[in-house]
Amino acid sequence: NAGVTQTPKFQVLKTGQSMTLQCAQDMNHNSMYWYRQDPGMGLRLIYYSASEGTTDKGEVPNGYNVSRLNKREFSLRLESAAPSQTSVYFCASSEGRENEQYFGPGTRLTVT
Amino acid sequence: QKEVEQNSGPLSVPEGAIASLNCTYSDRGSQSFFWYRQYSGKSPELIMSIYSNGDKEDGRFTAQLNKASQYVSLLIRDSQPSDSATYLCAVIKAAGNKLTFGGGTRVLVKP
Repeated sequence: NAGVTQTPKFQVLKTGQSMTLQCAQDMNHNSMYWYRQDPGMGLRLIYYSASEGTTDKGEVPNGYNVSRLNKREFSLRLESAAPSQTSVYFCASSEGRENEQYFGPGTRLTVT
Repeated sequence: QKEVEQNSGPLSVPEGAIASLNCTYSDRGSQSFFWYRQYSGKSPELIMSIYSNGDKEDGRFTAQLNKASQYVSLLIRDSQPSDSATYLCAVIKAAGNKLTFGGGTRVLVKP
């Protein structure tokens, strides 16, 4: 039982390049989330998916797109990376009324 | 006013002492409250959740919730150097399932 996994762990992009961050969970959770964490800004929600087939914007969605591929997988895409998207990205999942969220190990992204 | 506020610290605590962390929130209708621990360079790890007024104990951790005063606190008893980390308070508002995080309190436990 791996919990929440994310790939890649590290990535360096040039401005304007695109990439997809992958997230998968094996806990049979319905809800999945993407956050970014920046020094002094804390954790901020980018997008979330309450259930398979649905996605909604969070606090900072601009510059990102998401796909809920199936119940297990939720990907985050940067179409044209900008230096302002340099951050650590975390995926999380949750289930049930209590909505305890469990986080993946993160992806450290640098955009030059 | 931030939606979830925490003192950034660092909170310096001698080994074996009690660390007391506080968090205030602005949405009076908030229903669910969580404490996460985050070691440097690692992801947040859920350590406590609390949903009703009062205390909830789990091992050396006690979460306290006071909805009337809109604060939630975390006590760490018998603090160990391994407790040195940043502790994040998170709140789910009245409607929905989105977490709002505070900025975190850095705790340093000195041997």
